Amino acid sequence: EDQVTQSPEALRLQEGESSSLNCSYTVSGLRGLFWYRQDPGKGPEFLFTLYSAGEEKEKERLKATLTKKESFLHITAPKPEDSATYLCAVYLDGGATNKLIFGTGTLLAVQP
Amino acid sequence: DGGITQSPKYLFRKEGQNVTLSCEQNLNHDAMYWYRQDPGQGLRLIYYSQIVNDFQKGDIAEGYSVSREKKESFPLTVTSAQKNPTAFYLCASSTVRADTQYFGPGTRLTVL
Repeated sequence: EDQVTQSPEALRLQEGESSSLNCSYTVSGLRGLFWYRQDPGKGPEFLFTLYSAGEEKEKERLKATLTKKESFLHITAPKPEDSATYLCAVYLDGGATNKLIFGTGTLLAVQP
Repeated sequence: DGGITQSPKYLFRKEGQNVTLSCEQNLNHDAMYWYRQDPGQGLRLIYYSQIVNDFQKGDIAEGYSVSREKKESFPLTVTSAQKNPTAFYLCASSTVRADTQYFGPGTRLTVL
């Protein structure tokens, strides 16, 4: 069964304390992996798309990397405004639809 | 200013009522999607449409219905047959060829 697992479920950091969020997947035929940020009561905001192992994307304090089995979202020197839930989703190859399979997210809290 | 709008932001339904959630996009995207988000679960696909006048069931379509009469609009009706409709509903859109889905701000539905 195709599955996406995110860890940890929740992470509390001090401002400036760098860390990484993990997204592991067991799917048959990965076509792409997506990271979204979601603030409470709002829709997910697109961050990155990764397509192949070894690929990296960066945006401000965030860097996403991809291997054959997992993706990491590295957060460098986070600020309180980085606090949100970060969602990972995979897009499968060979399906009849643009179907995304989502993980349950990592709730990040950055304290000043 | 291109984007996806959903209305209303909050919706309350009595037992036995049908309610319709609105989703409009001005991104000129062909594909549109409806997801449901529950605490502790990943987003789950309800329905999707890749072209006007055509739509397909997702993973949890029972108790829901949709229409796609215009490219810009993809309303979702939550019927009385949906046993547990209280959730956060998210609409998304994408081009048919591209993978990235962009989300609206969501509608929170509560059954009284």
